[in-house]
This record gives sequence, structure tokens and C-alpha cells, in this order.
Amino acid sequence: GNSVTQMEGPVTLSEEAFLTINCTYTATGYPSLFWYVQYPGEGLQLLLKATKADDKGSNKGFEATYRKETTSFHLEKGSVQVSDSAVYFCALADSGGSNYKLTFGKGTLLTVNP
Amino acid sequence: DTAVSQTPKYLVTQMGNDKSIKCEQNLGHDTMYWYKQDSKKFLKIMFSYNNKELIINETVPNRFSPKSPDKAHLNLHINSLELGDSAVYFCASSLQGVGPGSAFFGQGTRLTVV
Repeated sequence: GNSVTQMEGPVTLSEEAFLTINCTYTATGYPSLFWYVQYPGEGLQLLLKATKADDKGSNKGFEATYRKETTSFHLEKGSVQVSDSAVYFCALADSGGSNYKLTFGKGTLLTVNP
Repeated sequence: DTAVSQTPKYLVTQMGNDKSIKCEQNLGHDTMYWYKQDSKKFLKIMFSYNNKELIINETVPNRFSPKSPDKAHLNLHINSLELGDSAVYFCASSLQGVGPGSAFFGQGTRLTVV
């Protein structure tokens, strides 16, 4: 079955540091890939997505590139802010007709200190 | 206006009780979901409904019974609550054509069974 593996946290950075959160996946076919963010006490919000190989998703300074050859979708940001402190989830959805669910990684807690 | 709203936000109850969580979306979506987030933040799909029809039941115990009276609502009823049911439950919705990756999530219901 499908699975998503992302680096375990917690990750603690200083403001303006470079961020990478690794994510790799196992899936049949060509899934769509996503990063979701969960701020403290809130629900999940879609951060960015990519639906085919070599696509780059980007939003709010975050980027991730769909790498089929390495089955990866690593999240990066060049300069993090305190407001980026949250839990980040990598996820995939099957392509095709049976795409009624997201499979999530275990989440990575990011704390950014001033 | 809140896109996906769940009630209640917090629920504390004793073992053996029966409780319900309600979910409503005003986005005109045709697909709704219930996800469970455990104490380690791991998110797992429980149910998916498309046009009021159950599409996914991810090996959830029979004590959990979702009900979709119309496309805008998906309620979750839980019988004979157990300690292990303590978790945060998230409702979400999406358009089938767009896929689950662009789902909008509610704020979550924190269920504590004592």
C-alpha cells in the first residue's frame, strides 16, 4: 500500500535559517503530493502541492519538487520566521479513480526561535 | 464564514458513553472525510463519503458510525467509548474532481475519554 516517510522532529531553528524537511513516498502509479501545515490549536491547511513529476509547488516562500526518480518531495524554505513554527505533514493521494483519501507522514514539528 | 465547521471543539466523556460529533461545510463540495489524529500527531483516514455514499471505511471499529444526511454534512457517532478513542478528530471536504489533496479541514474536535 501507499506510505509516506518524513524526517522525525522536532526541528529547532533560529530565525532566518534555511529549512529542509525530507519526505519520501511509496505508491503505485503516479500520486499527487502535498505539504500540509498545522499551526498550534488549528486544523490542517494545504501549503503546496505537485501533481506530476518535476512539478514544483510553492507558497509563502516554501518550495518542494516532485522527484519521481528518488520518490521524494522535500520541503524547503530559504529563511524561516518565528511564525512558521508549526507541524508540517507530507501527504500523497492516488491518481485515478480511487483518490478518496490522503496518506500522511507522521508530521515534523518545527520550532523557530527569534 | 467558516468553510468546514465541527462541533463541539472539545468533548470530555466517560468510558462506555455514546457521543456524536457534527460537521458541516459550506463550500459546495461533494466529498467529505473523517480523520483521526492520535497523541503523536499521526493522521489517519477513517471514512470518506462522496455524494452521501460511503466510499472508504478504513478498518474502523463498528462502534464508529458516520452519517451523511446531505452533501454538506457528515456526522460521526461513537458508541461505547473507550480510552483509546481519545484523539483529535478532523472533518474535511473536497471536490471529487480536484481530489482529496485540496481538502479543507475543520478545526478539529478533541475527544477525551476518562
